[in-house]
Amino acid sequence: GENVEQHPSTLSVQEGDSAVIKCTYSDSASNYFPWYKQELGKRPQLIIDIRSNVGEKKDQRIAVTLNKTAKHFSLHITETQPEDSAVYFCAASNRDDKIIFGKGTRLHILP
Amino acid sequence: DAGVTQSPTHLIKTRGQQVTLRCSPKSGHDTVSWYQQALGQGPQFIFQYYEEEERQRGNFPDRFSGHQFPNYSSELNVNALLLGDSALYLCASSLGTGLTNYGYTFGSGTRLTVV
Repeated sequence: GENVEQHPSTLSVQEGDSAVIKCTYSDSASNYFPWYKQELGKRPQLIIDIRSNVGEKKDQRIAVTLNKTAKHFSLHITETQPEDSAVYFCAASNRDDKIIFGKGTRLHILP
Repeated sequence: DAGVTQSPTHLIKTRGQQVTLRCSPKSGHDTVSWYQQALGQGPQFIFQYYEEEERQRGNFPDRFSGHQFPNYSSELNVNALLLGDSALYLCASSLGTGLTNYGYTFGSGTRLTVV
């Protein structure tokens, strides 16, 4: 089955700098890659997603890139703000609709 | 717009007992997936229900079972509770078979503590 590896597990960046979180997946049939943000004590919320027919997608300060050949995908957050502090999960899904999550990255935005 | 609702929000059970958790999907969604999230970990897939049947299952023992009702709501049952079952149980709803393009909508979860 699908396995999603995520790193780093913890990331601290200065406010205003960029943050990058990287993930790899194992199942070449995976075709959908969502990213979720989970604040302390709250539910995971979808922040951006990308499909396998697209290499990059942007939404304001957030961008995702996908390298299907290498089975890598990444989340980029630019001009980080205090409210970006949270745990971020990458995930992958194949044709059968099940979504498999990485273990998460705890992002700290330093003042 | 009604999102995904889960009940109860918190629950404390004794080892060996049985528990039932409930989930109502977002309006318009017909598929319910259940996840277990241990502290500091990512959500682990338990199973998914569609058209009142278990469509897929993760690596969880038979002590974990579920049900989906005609109104698309779902229950997760766990028998013979172990201390290791303590976790946040998340319900996620989505629309239809193969339509992962819109992602899941998660409920706020049920925090289960087994003592």
